[in-house]
Amino acid sequence: QKEVEQNSGPLSVPEGAIASLNCTYSDRVSQSFFWYRQYSGKSPELIMSIYSNGDKEDGRFTAQLNKASQYVSLLIRDSQPSDSATYLCAVRGSGNTGKLIFGQGTTLQVKP
Amino acid sequence: NAGVTQTPKFQVLKTGQSMTLQCAQDMNHNSMYWYRQDPGMGLRLIYYSASEGTTDKGEVPNGYNVSRLNKREFSLRLESAAPSQTSVYFCASSEIWAETFGYGYTFGSGTRLTVV
Repeated sequence: QKEVEQNSGPLSVPEGAIASLNCTYSDRVSQSFFWYRQYSGKSPELIMSIYSNGDKEDGRFTAQLNKASQYVSLLIRDSQPSDSATYLCAVRGSGNTGKLIFGQGTTLQVKP
Repeated sequence: NAGVTQTPKFQVLKTGQSMTLQCAQDMNHNSMYWYRQDPGMGLRLIYYSASEGTTDKGEVPNGYNVSRLNKREFSLRLESAAPSQTSVYFCASSEIWAETFGYGYTFGSGTRLTVV
């Protein structure tokens, strides 16, 4: 079992819809969780972080964390074609090294 | 205010050649990381340096060496390149405790390496 798992997709949604991206992780002691967006040929950029159970909202983005189920999700409301990218889930491993473990990414396609 | 700077951006090597990928950050971060990204594999950690003077292996260290030259610079060396090392390489930096509070990594723009 991979430490951080995502459905590689592609996930296709129409413009204006809600896109739901999911991620599961295996290390129960993980403390911090991140969502990165990566456009083709570019480097990842941080869009959301969460470390407490529940929801965290930032504009059109909502991150959801359920530590009991070891599950993190990202909701994108009012999806736009510019949201088309690969979304990487990352989990901070146990220990104090700060290193992140990444999932393989989910490709999102928002169709006009 | 460049953030994390990687050089070179592109490189083609022949099998058996060596090269060093350079990474420098100007954010006074303690921690630096080297990842490789292959299609369908996400980002895999090669080596990291939690603080100046320390380096540790990540998930895929074989065939690579690193040097934390000072707080700003963290280089990745391929001693004898192999076609399996064809990949996109990303350097990143962060503060250790910043992860706890959600600051995450800052990534460089990447190095696209092809080994023929």
